[in-house]
Amino acid sequence: EFVLTQSPGTLSLSPGQRATLSCRASQSVRSNSLAWYQQKPGQAPRLLVYGASTRATGIPDRFSGSGSGTDFTLTISRLEPEDFAVYYCQQYDVSPRTFGQGTNVEIK
Amino acid sequence: EVHLVESGGGLVQPGGSLRLSCAASGFLFSDYWMSWVRQAPGKGLEWVANIKQDGSEINYVDSVKGRFTISRGNTNNLLYLQMNNLRAEDTAVYYCARDSPRYYSSLEYFQYWGQGTLVTVSS
Repeated sequence: EFVLTQSPGTLSLSPGQRATLSCRASQSVRSNSLAWYQQKPGQAPRLLVYGASTRATGIPDRFSGSGSGTDFTLTISRLEPEDFAVYYCQQYDVSPRTFGQGTNVEIK
Repeated sequence: EVHLVESGGGLVQPGGSLRLSCAASGFLFSDYWMSWVRQAPGKGLEWVANIKQDGSEINYVDSVKGRFTISRGNTNNLLYLQMNNLRAEDTAVYYCARDSPRYYSSLEYFQYWGQGTLVTVSS
């Protein structure tokens, strides 16, 4: 199975700080078929980025995705209060599609 | 505006059955693969099953094969998940998600999700 490993598990930061989230794949992700989602408690996941670096409709430009091959990054340039949430990466290169275990971005 | 609304969750005993439904609106339902994704309490996301636009192709994660059946009704824009022989490890919030628009490939990200329905398997 295609395994995605996210790090760190928890990121403790203050509003205004920069957040850097990592997603490492167990094999190369072809065509940059990697997405990022944000999930807040009691809510469904929200698509942030697809194709490793393309922001979804309506997503603020403080969110940016980068990377290729086996190493991908989601960067939040300046954390807003509403950005504190859990973030998941997902590969859609190979079936079954799989998700990382998540990174919790919490208020320090 | 795309809307996906799940229903049918609840408390069921181990070995029991449950049928989930997802009502879709705001897009041409018959143009998209559709998926179910679940999330156990306090855990991450797991893709469960998907179905092609015309129902001619279906895929499942190994852990539910032989127990779960996904189906759809394109005349009434409904997606279903029949869950039989339920186990404690099936306890989760089940989300309906719009999947790929491509007929020959279901490999896609999930742009739209429902709010989820909770299934609890416990005696």
